[in-house]
Amino acid sequence: GAGVSQSPRYKVAKRGQDVALRCDPISGHVSLFWYQQALGQGPEFLTYFQNEAQLDKSGLPSDRFFAERPEGSVSTLKIQRTQQEDSAVYLCASSLPGSNTDTQYFGPGTRLTVL
Amino acid sequence: AQSVAQPEDQVNVAEGNPLTVKCTYSVSGNPYLFWYVQYPNRGLQFLLKYITGDNLVKGSYGFEAEFNKSQTSFHLKKPSALVSDSALYFCAVRSSGTYKYIFGTGTRLKVLA
Repeated sequence: GAGVSQSPRYKVAKRGQDVALRCDPISGHVSLFWYQQALGQGPEFLTYFQNEAQLDKSGLPSDRFFAERPEGSVSTLKIQRTQQEDSAVYLCASSLPGSNTDTQYFGPGTRLTVL
Repeated sequence: AQSVAQPEDQVNVAEGNPLTVKCTYSVSGNPYLFWYVQYPNRGLQFLLKYITGDNLVKGSYGFEAEFNKSQTSFHLKKPSALVSDSALYFCAVRSSGTYKYIFGTGTRLKVLA
């Protein structure tokens, strides 16, 4: 009966390093979202998957950000050549099958610190 | 463009008093509106949503919200606040026909014993 899980919970990277953040959604959830939450701000939409299809990636801030969900379950958000402004909490959320207007269930987030 | 405004960074209320956390929105199509709560060191949790139908929506932990189309508002309310309601509250909106959810900047609710 696990919820959405994310790993690692904390990641420290040196500027210029590549990082990969993992999201395990609730089993059977069709929809998966990635958000970036800066300190003191609300979550900002990055991208949306329906099964393995990435239907909206309009929120990805640059071409250094890449997300995938190859088998329609686990998703990975990859950030290449990290910059200090990438420091934030990255949230993953999944929602019930059949509709993307349903409740989003959020994971605990990955706190990324870029030094 | 879609946007959400939560005009108050913090709301203080005495335990047992009614509380209101304000939210206004702007979307180009029909709005789907949500409230989420974030407790310290815990993930965002769903409280309630408005998709269609009755303008008064009831949610978890005794919270409710009223959709007001003319004022483009979706204020969160509770008749009697508890100290345990102290947390960070986020309003979110999505327009019909898009997948992109827009969150407000959050309102910190502090309920005083």
